[in-house]
Amino acid sequence: ETGVTQTPRHLVMGMTNKKSLKCEQHLGHNAMYWYKQSAKKPLELMFVYNFKEQTENNSVPSRFSPECPNSSHLFLHLHTLQPEDSALYLCASSQELARTGELFFGEGSRLTVL
Amino acid sequence: QKEVEQDPGPLSVPEGAIVSLNCTYSNSAFQYFMWYRQYSRKGPELLMYTYSSGNKEDGRFTAQVDKSSKYISLFIRDSQPSDSATYLCAMSGGGGAQKLVFGQGTRLTINP
Repeated sequence: ETGVTQTPRHLVMGMTNKKSLKCEQHLGHNAMYWYKQSAKKPLELMFVYNFKEQTENNSVPSRFSPECPNSSHLFLHLHTLQPEDSALYLCASSQELARTGELFFGEGSRLTVL
Repeated sequence: QKEVEQDPGPLSVPEGAIVSLNCTYSNSAFQYFMWYRQYSRKGPELLMYTYSSGNKEDGRFTAQVDKSSKYISLFIRDSQPSDSATYLCAMSGGGGAQKLVFGQGTRLTINP
């Protein structure tokens, strides 16, 4: 395995379900990120972890709960979502909080909330 | 006013054409400028990176930054069908990757 791997690639859930998205990076990076990508909108930063510590929470609703057990793994726990949360959720990593902004993205998890 | 404006397209051009993709921005503190390319059903990948003003060339791709006009461009020469993708501009003032501000992306199709 190389790069940034996200599972599942596709997820359909009802508003009362609980599910989790998983991200794993094999690049030896120390910073990991969750982004939300919706149609015709810019990427929205959700959470940032640096050396397992959360450094950024961009006013994300509490129905999204991140977890970073180590520098290689990142989870996004989902609970009681709304249809407007349907989007592509992208995980990214970087060498610490890369000053240059070079991020390495996974292929994303396409979430549909019914 | 959005911090970064990018025409979402879609933009469709014939193979071999020169493509020009552009973004404007309002924050004069931005110093780091990037272009990411995102193929369908894939994550974005860094294509070009420029610090401050000037041009940078990499093969068929040229990134140009005009800080006085708050305008950045990506030129693709001899465009190929494999260049068909969404191109995202991104920029920051240097506060780290978490301070990146993205444009909404331009969807580009190169027709054979």
